[in-house]
This record gives sequence, structure tokens and C-alpha cells, in this order.
Amino acid sequence: TQLLEQSPQFLSIQEGENLTVYCNSSSVFSSLQWYRQEPGEGPVLLVTVVTGGEVKKLKRLTFQFGDARKDSSLHITAAQPGDTGLYLCAGGFRNSGGSNYKLTFGKGTLLTVNP
Amino acid sequence: SAVISQKPSRDICQRGTSLTIQCQVDSQVTMMFWYRQQPGQSLTLIATANQGSEATYESGFVIDKFPISRPNLTFSTLTVSNMSPEDSSIYLCSVRGGLIRGSYNEQFFGPGTRLTVL
Repeated sequence: TQLLEQSPQFLSIQEGENLTVYCNSSSVFSSLQWYRQEPGEGPVLLVTVVTGGEVKKLKRLTFQFGDARKDSSLHITAAQPGDTGLYLCAGGFRNSGGSNYKLTFGKGTLLTVNP
Repeated sequence: SAVISQKPSRDICQRGTSLTIQCQVDSQVTMMFWYRQQPGQSLTLIATANQGSEATYESGFVIDKFPISRPNLTFSTLTVSNMSPEDSSIYLCSVRGGLIRGSYNEQFFGPGTRLTVL
């Protein structure tokens, strides 16, 4: 069973601060996706990383995939109240036969950015 | 990406009854999934909805409790049968592949159905 450990579970910061969320596993993933979910909504895909060592930037968000494709991080610069939400990482892997591709989700990081 | 809609968006049901949730996608997709998200928790995959055949259920989920239909490439239903308060959750439809396929096999989610069982 592929498990993703996400930390921290809760994070409350002031507007303008920086933060980093971590997603770690002992398994190698084909891809790693980050989602943000707001209350009453479904998860919205932010980014997909597939190459070890890859770094992607989305405005104030920076996503990194570990060299061994077992871990990832999300860094937010100068957080704003609009960044508030549940951040979920999800690792993609194929089963042993290679016929089935599935996502495993971390437990999520609930971020609150206070004005 | 795809536009995914779910009906109903929320419902309050009595113990012992059943509720059918619908998922409609605006493009043909290869894969459709159903997830459950219990309060304050992450997403758990219930099953993969297969077109024209029985759904593939994950460990801990059975067809009698969560019957699923997928008559075509854009529509699926999940029924939560003989409900109990422990079934109170958000139920999410998710899709991947087909005409919405991105570069990296991305998966997209509907807005969810918030179910409360009394």
C-alpha cells in the first residue's frame, strides 16, 4: 500500500508570511498532484509534477518533486487570505501489472491565512 | 479540464433510506471514480465506475452498499443504500482521460455531494 504523509496537518499564519507544506512517502510515484479544496467545493487541481527534481511555479506557489520521486513540497510566498483552504497532495502509481493507474491522497493540510 | 456536475449538492436523509447521486461530465472521459471524504479527513476511493460492466470496488466497500452505474462515457451514479449516520460524508465524483486528457494523466473532481444521515 502506497502511503503519503503530509505535514503539517494544520497551519494558521498571518497575511504576508511564507509557508511550506510537505508530502513524503517511502514509495516512488509516477506523478504527484497538488490540489486545493475550499469549504463546500471539490478539490481543484493546482499542478502535476512528474520528473524527479522538477520545480514548477504558479504565481506565488512553488512546487517541487524530490529527486527520487518519493516526496514533494509546496511553498507559498506572501500568503493571502484567499490562499485559505485544504491542500492535498496525491501520488499516482500503477499496480504491479501496470494496467491500473491510481491516486493515493495525503491527509491534507488545512491552511488559514488571517488578514 | 472538464466541467463536472453532481446532483444533489447536498441532502439530509433518514436512517435506512437510500440516496442516488448523479455525476455528469461535459466531455467523454475514460475513467470515472467515486470518492468519500469524511469530515476533516482526506479522500478515500470507493470504486472505479466501468462503462457497461460492474464497478471495481476498493477494499472495505461493497456493491450491495454502494451500487454504481455507468451507462456511457459522460454519466455515472452512486447509490448509498440503507444509510446510517456513519455514511454522513461528502461524496465526490472524479474523472480522468478521454477528451479531457492532459499531458500528465490529470484527474479532476466534481463539486461533491454533502450527505447528512440522521
